[in-house]
Amino acid sequence: DGGITQSPKYLFRKEGQNVTLSCEQNLNHDAMYWYRQDPGQGLRLIYYSQIVNDFQKGDIAEGYSVSREKKESFPLTVTSAQKNPTAFYLCASSIAPTGGQETQYFGPGTRLLVL
Amino acid sequence: GENVEQHPSTLSVQEGDSAVIKCTYSDSASNYFPWYKQELGKRPQLIIDIRSNVGEKKDQRIAVTLNKTAKHFSLHITETQPEDSAVYFCAASGSNYQLIWGAGTKLIIKP
Repeated sequence: DGGITQSPKYLFRKEGQNVTLSCEQNLNHDAMYWYRQDPGQGLRLIYYSQIVNDFQKGDIAEGYSVSREKKESFPLTVTSAQKNPTAFYLCASSIAPTGGQETQYFGPGTRLLVL
Repeated sequence: GENVEQHPSTLSVQEGDSAVIKCTYSDSASNYFPWYKQELGKRPQLIIDIRSNVGEKKDQRIAVTLNKTAKHFSLHITETQPEDSAVYFCAASGSNYQLIWGAGTKLIIKP
């Protein structure tokens, strides 16, 4: 998991502002994922991508957007439509899940706070 | 829908004793079951996983058992140590190559 980086570590958002969280991996993984974790809670899937230029909504995609223009990068934008964005955001990646699910490796996370 | 139930939500054990965390899944097609450990403020890290063609897997003090008929799997930690204190998450493979996550168990090791 040391091959997945997220930036920034902390991010502050003003009301009405869009912010973008970075996720980069050098593991040559095909699949990438974004999760949201609220304090004391589990992981909820926002978006995932199994291949470049393709991505699917997870359970809580509303108010978020992603792009996958490069294999190693999967940025997440938190839009102003997301009214309660304060949370810990985790990016993960795995090798192509061809025969079934594969192990997901996580980045260190970005903590988003609203001013 | 697909879901994974994890119990207990909090588990407190004496140092040196064993800890067991149980998960039940709903999708009979699930074939991959990882366990992650998350320390406070850190990323989840894989500690052990098991696939459906295996009933049990061990790695030093950690073991996972799988009962496909009953659709449940368990994490066993023996000889617990203070550094085992963390939140543990189970997961099961779901449709569209996603993981379905349990809600987590906070493990407290009492000295």
